[in-house]
Amino acid sequence: QLVLTQSPSASASLGASVKLTCTLNSGHSSYAIAWHQQQPEKGPRYLMKLNSDGSHTKGDGIPDRFSGSSSGAERYLTISSLQSEDEADYYCQTWGTGIPWVFGGGTKLTVL
Amino acid sequence: QVQLVESGGGVVQPGGSLRLSCAASAFTFSSYGMHWVRQAPGKGLEWVTFIQYDGNNKFYADSVKGRFTISRDNSKNTLYLQMNSLRTEDTAVYYCAKGGLAMDVWGQGTTVTVSS
Repeated sequence: QLVLTQSPSASASLGASVKLTCTLNSGHSSYAIAWHQQQPEKGPRYLMKLNSDGSHTKGDGIPDRFSGSSSGAERYLTISSLQSEDEADYYCQTWGTGIPWVFGGGTKLTVL
Repeated sequence: QVQLVESGGGVVQPGGSLRLSCAASAFTFSSYGMHWVRQAPGKGLEWVTFIQYDGNNKFYADSVKGRFTISRDNSKNTLYLQMNSLRTEDTAVYYCAKGGLAMDVWGQGTTVTVSS
């Protein structure tokens, strides 16, 4: 069974950087994922597709401040030069057999 | 710009039915797979169903299998979700999303409330 694990919350100061983590469960460490952002009271927004080798393809209009990287079963989203509008929920998502599409539980990012 | 607009949400009693629509614009709708994803109040995102670009293949989450039906009309650039035998646990904001493996464009959602 394909499972994505995210920390429920994270925080960082305005102008700083933060690295969010999404962990694939055992046996699925080679899977690609996608990152999505959901600002308060809005629909989700696609940020990027992130491969196991760390290569990533960002969605249209996503600022350079957003980047992705990978290490083993972990997939990271790094946001630099944090702005107030980055305060949002961040979800990772992947795909496989069985349950075809899966979301992580989401990380709520607070910008201090 | 690429846009998805959902409609059809509302309040329905348990056991009732509802049909959601998602109008697509500014992209070749008939070339892309489409998803429905939902979000219960205060909860995370839950994938519901997917339909292939030509409508020939469909996949469902176990939680809705046998009750929900996804369909599309490529001549109208519109995606549908027929929801039958609704339960209180189906209460959520329903989003349509474009894409195959990754959802790369999302709508703003339509709210479905199942309550007596």
